[in-house]
Amino acid sequence: EDQVTQSPEALRLQEGESSSLNCSYTVSGLRGLFWYRQDPGKGPEFLFTLYSAGEEKEKERLKATLTKKESFLHITAPKPEDSATYLCAVQDISNFGNEKLTFGTGTRLTIIP
Amino acid sequence: NAGVTQTPKFQVLKTGQSMTLQCAQDMNHNSMYWYRQDPGMGLRLIYYSASEGTTDKGEVPNGYNVSRLNKREFSLRLESAAPSQTSVYFCASSRGGVYGYTFGSGTRLTVV
Repeated sequence: EDQVTQSPEALRLQEGESSSLNCSYTVSGLRGLFWYRQDPGKGPEFLFTLYSAGEEKEKERLKATLTKKESFLHITAPKPEDSATYLCAVQDISNFGNEKLTFGTGTRLTIIP
Repeated sequence: NAGVTQTPKFQVLKTGQSMTLQCAQDMNHNSMYWYRQDPGMGLRLIYYSASEGTTDKGEVPNGYNVSRLNKREFSLRLESAAPSQTSVYFCASSRGGVYGYTFGSGTRLTVV
């Protein structure tokens, strides 16, 4: 059974204070690892897909990295508008064709001005 | 460009009542999904439809039914609502591969 564990559950940072969020996963074979951002009262918004160990993706102040067992979402010099819940999800290779994802419970990030 | 549209946004039901949550996408995606989101539990898959004409159970299908009406629409039905079905429900569709899911804005359902 696929499993995704995210840590920490919540993180409060001062504006400009860089940090990382962790996503550990267990799958029989990884087809893709996905990061989403979710604002209160809204649906998750797609950020990145990573496919293989060593891969990195960047978007503004966010950089996602992938190893064989975990992914990190690095946030550099965050701003208050980066406050959100960040979700990690994995797709097992056995789900090719139906695109099913298994989600973690998320990290709630708060950036204090 | 509407993306994924869910209706209603909010609903209060009494135990035993039935209702249908509607979802429509205008992106010509083949796959569609229904998830529920509960505090501390994350997003859990209820049902999915990999293509028009097919539906399959996800992780938590009990108490729900679905209909893939056409390529655009995928509805979720609660036949006899229970307080345990109080949750936020999200519909999503997928283009596949690198693009991930596009989610709707959710339906907040309370069963009293």
